Amino acid sequence: AQSVTQPDIHITVSEGASLELRCNYSYGATPYLFWYVQSPGQGLQLLLKYFSGDTLVQGIKGFEAEFKRSQSSFNLRKPSVHWSDAAEYFCAVGYNTDKLIFGTGTRLQVFP
Amino acid sequence: EAQVTQNPRYLITVTGKKLTVTCSQNMNHEYMSWYRQDPGLGLRQIYYSMNVEVTDKGDVPEGYKVSRKEKRNFPLILESPSPNQTSLYFCASSTAGASYEQYFGPGTRLTVT
Repeated sequence: AQSVTQPDIHITVSEGASLELRCNYSYGATPYLFWYVQSPGQGLQLLLKYFSGDTLVQGIKGFEAEFKRSQSSFNLRKPSVHWSDAAEYFCAVGYNTDKLIFGTGTRLQVFP
Repeated sequence: EAQVTQNPRYLITVTGKKLTVTCSQNMNHEYMSWYRQDPGLGLRQIYYSMNVEVTDKGDVPEGYKVSRKEKRNFPLILESPSPNQTSLYFCASSTAGASYEQYFGPGTRLTVT
């Protein structure tokens, strides 16, 4: 069965430090890949998505993600974290046109 | 402003009392979906709709019903709520399917006692 794994439940970084959030998926073909962010008390907002083409995708708020087929991964990165990036981040995988499977999320805490 | 609205935002109810959570989008999207979010489990899809009068089960449909009589509305119905349906619910819509960017509503926090 298709699944999405976010192995880090909680990550703490200092403001200005680099960030990498991990996401692995299991799926036979190349899926559609997404990262969403949920700020406290808010709905989800799309950060970036990968459908095909260049495996390094740029998103909003300075985030980027790299699709690595050989590792079935789609890790999210940011070179310098801001305090406003504190939120919960969800990786999601889409297959066919009907369903989207979400990972369990990674909560990011940013210290000044 | 393009948006997905949900009502109510907060609801406390008792076991067995039927309730409806409304969802409406103003983007003329064909696809709409309901998710529940629980700690440690992420978001799980309850039901989705590819278009008017076309609905299908997601991963956790038990205890829920939906209808799609109009393109803009996709209400979630709990005929006999139980405490295990206490959760945070999100409605979402997209142009043509789950593989497109989904726009999420602000969420409905439901407590069933």
